[in-house]
Amino acid sequence: DAGITQSPRHKVTETGTPVTLRCHQTENHRYMYWYRQDPGHGLRLIHYSYGVKDTDKGEVSDGYSVSRSKTEDFLLTLESATSSQTSVYFCAISEQLTEQFFGPGTRLTVL
Amino acid sequence: EDKVVQSPLSLVVHEGDTVTLNCSYEVTNFRSLLWYKQEKKAPTFLFMLTSSGIEKKSGRLSSILDKKELFSILNITATQTGDSAVYLCAVNSNSGYALNFGKGTSLLVTP
Repeated sequence: DAGITQSPRHKVTETGTPVTLRCHQTENHRYMYWYRQDPGHGLRLIHYSYGVKDTDKGEVSDGYSVSRSKTEDFLLTLESATSSQTSVYFCAISEQLTEQFFGPGTRLTVL
Repeated sequence: EDKVVQSPLSLVVHEGDTVTLNCSYEVTNFRSLLWYKQEKKAPTFLFMLTSSGIEKKSGRLSSILDKKELFSILNITATQTGDSAVYLCAVNSNSGYALNFGKGTSLLVTP
């Protein structure tokens, strides 16, 4: 398996609180991605990064921000969590614009 | 807008059966089509296809892409209970970074 870890693995928070999810890779891959997975919608891209400090929005970026200050770390922040952001969040990495490898996921519940 | 449609949505078979999962797509500037297997955790990469008519095989799993008719199939022969999972199809275009996923086919293999 690709060396990808996500933390925390589970989190319960309240509406209006900020939340940061971390993705850490040991593969030195250039590209990193954040997806969310919801029943009936499948996996949808939130944000991605194509290098240190280089990020851009995906399909469902509203309410989320990201940062990548080091090759190995990609942070996803929910500035003010809402119940609609209850989801499973997956980080993925790729060396080129080809196959992506997924981390174990973070289950986030916003009450 | 890119679109990926998988069929059937769910399938129940007996151990030893052969199954065929379908994925049709519409994407501008197609680059590749990928198959993933998802058990109750992160998606794991199975195949990537970029050229039409070429079959990719790994053990009992195989996949083929038809770029003219815009679809792919994933075959699993001699199914086992360990094949029970959701199978995800995704497409990648030359004009973006995201993988666009279908909603998946849920396969249950009964003993």
